[in-house]
Amino acid sequence: QVQLQESGPGLVRPSQTLSLTCTVSGDAISSGNYYWNWIRQPAGKGLEWLGRIYSSGTSNYNPSLESRVTLSVDTSNNQFSLRLISVTDADTAVYYCARGPFGLAAFDVWGHGTMVAVSS
Amino acid sequence: QSDLAQPASVSGSPGQSITISCTGTSSDVGAYNYVSWYQQHPGKAPKLMISEVTNRPSGVSDRFSGSKSGNTASLTISGLQAEDEADYYCSSFTRSSSWVFGGGTKLTVL
Repeated sequence: QVQLQESGPGLVRPSQTLSLTCTVSGDAISSGNYYWNWIRQPAGKGLEWLGRIYSSGTSNYNPSLESRVTLSVDTSNNQFSLRLISVTDADTAVYYCARGPFGLAAFDVWGHGTMVAVSS
Repeated sequence: QSDLAQPASVSGSPGQSITISCTGTSSDVGAYNYVSWYQQHPGKAPKLMISEVTNRPSGVSDRFSGSKSGNTASLTISGLQAEDEADYYCSSFTRSSSWVFGGGTKLTVL
């Protein structure tokens, strides 16, 4: 059974860079059957899709965040990562990684989420 | 890009049916049959309930069903049960190869 686990700092200073990693177990990112996504949720608010990446490194981003977001993939360690630059308190949220199968057009497996606070 | 429009809250009594709407544009909901619905209980990750407008993943109760007309998709829950009380989000793929979510609907089972 595939599982996703987010990891990274729980606190980031304003104007600095937020970096998170999602480790995939039970399936190989290199299998090429999925897109790998990042989605976030500020406390008490809705979900926001940040971007997705394929095992080849091909990626798509939320147009409203594209200038600040970069996704990368490490197939040897079965991980993919999120980098968000120039953070402000508006970036404080629970960050989820999620799997998107080809041919399903949905997010079928989610990590538990990790809380990241932006504060000085 | 704008969120898809969902009612902030809906409610129903056990055994009743409710419908949650999700309104987008011709660039997202109306463009493809790529609308999905997620259930989220407090403190938990979202769970996929419906994919591609009408498809139920294995293990999801057949009390959950989806539909779409034009730029508006809908989630119907029949035979409401206490455990259905949660937040529900719709999502759609867009013409810009990105995903957009609705603002979420809080379902209260009275």
